[in-house]
Formats: sequence, structure tokens, C-alpha cells
Amino acid sequence: DSGVTQTPKHLITATGQRVTLRCSPRSGDLSVYWYQQSLDQGLQFLIQYYNGEERAKGNILERFSAQQFPDLHSELNLSSLELGDSALYFCASSVSDSLRGTQYFGPGTRLTVL
Amino acid sequence: AQSVAQPEDQVNVAEGNPLTVKCTYSVSGNPYLFWYVQYPNRGLQFLLKYITGDNLVKGSYGFEAEFNKSQTSFHLKKPSALVSDSALYFCAACYTGGFKTIFGAGTRLFVKA
Repeated sequence: DSGVTQTPKHLITATGQRVTLRCSPRSGDLSVYWYQQSLDQGLQFLIQYYNGEERAKGNILERFSAQQFPDLHSELNLSSLELGDSALYFCASSVSDSLRGTQYFGPGTRLTVL
Repeated sequence: AQSVAQPEDQVNVAEGNPLTVKCTYSVSGNPYLFWYVQYPNRGLQFLLKYITGDNLVKGSYGFEAEFNKSQTSFHLKKPSALVSDSALYFCAACYTGGFKTIFGAGTRLFVKA
């Protein structure tokens, strides 16, 4: 158990809908990273927050947004969902904002868009 | 462009034999290199990392990896494979001044009893 929690574990929704994925980092970790894992794209970095502020942005679509709250938990919002958004979404956390640090991954949220 | 390559989709090895999972990278400047393992329906678990210093890095569960700058490689090794090592292995890289970690496509390791 990495200490990173993600809810829900599974999410099934329809095209055009909006969903929110939640992540609680390990105790003491200030950075949260979001990744998307799909069969065709592999593991893709979406976005990083550090202590409440956006730190880095990767291949995140404009339909997607995220935030990190004062208690350091983070939410990833996915809107106007398309079939291609079906994937496993991982959250990871680390102590600092440096990429030298080890990232600890949550169990993921499996999103299915029908 | 920055990239990480894992040239083998799958590696098969018999239990008790040594295993190697290959990784090469292409990043600017000094790389930070990582190996993660993913078991079915689980998140990625950290195995080991190279930041600086000794080229041979030892990690969890008896795994080790050797950083080879001239060959831009960071192969994962274990002297004696276990059936329980069967999983999906990811190599990842980032670099000084970079803003994201780049993951390879993954290599499925199958250890046969």
C-alpha cells in the first residue's frame, strides 16, 4: 500500500458527461501528479500540483482540469467525455516538487465512457 | 524529443534464471532514471532510481539496474527470477530542468516455474 488513495475505483459514464476523480496524497507529500494510462498511449503525464499551485502541465486536454486543495487532496475533472477518454487514471504523490523524488502511485480510477 | 524506449514487449524467463529488462533513454542533460513495477489492477510501485553517483543501483526485491551513460541505457536486472516477479515493468526518465517524467511503454515479464 503506497499510502495514496484514489476514489472511485471504477467509473462508468456516457459520452458528453462530466466526472470528478479524487486523490489523497501520502501524509507529508506536497506534490500530486496525474497520469492517464491507456493501451494505445501508454502512461502519459497530465499535470502536477505542488502545495496548491499548478507546477507543470503535460498532455492534458482542455476539457480536463485539476486542482489541489488546502488539505493537499487533488481532483481531476473530466468534461465533455468522449469514448477515447476511457482509461486508467493514476494519481501519484511525492514530498517535493523535484522530479528527482520518488513518486508513489495510487491504485487508479478506471474510467469507462460508453 | 525526449523519449524512453523499452524494446521488448515481453520477456520470458525460467524461475531461478537471471533476468534483464532493457531500457534506453533520450533526454537532454543529466538524466534521472527510474524503474517501476505494476501488478494487475494495481498502481505502479517504485523499484529503484538513479540520480547521481554509483552507476549500479540496488533496489527493492533484489532488483538492480546499471546506468550506462555512453549507451544511454538503464537495464533492470535480477540474479534469480521468481514467479512472483511476473508483472509489467516501466522504465522512466526525467532530466535536470525538465518538467515531466517520461515513461516507456512497459515490458511484461513472465517468469515460468
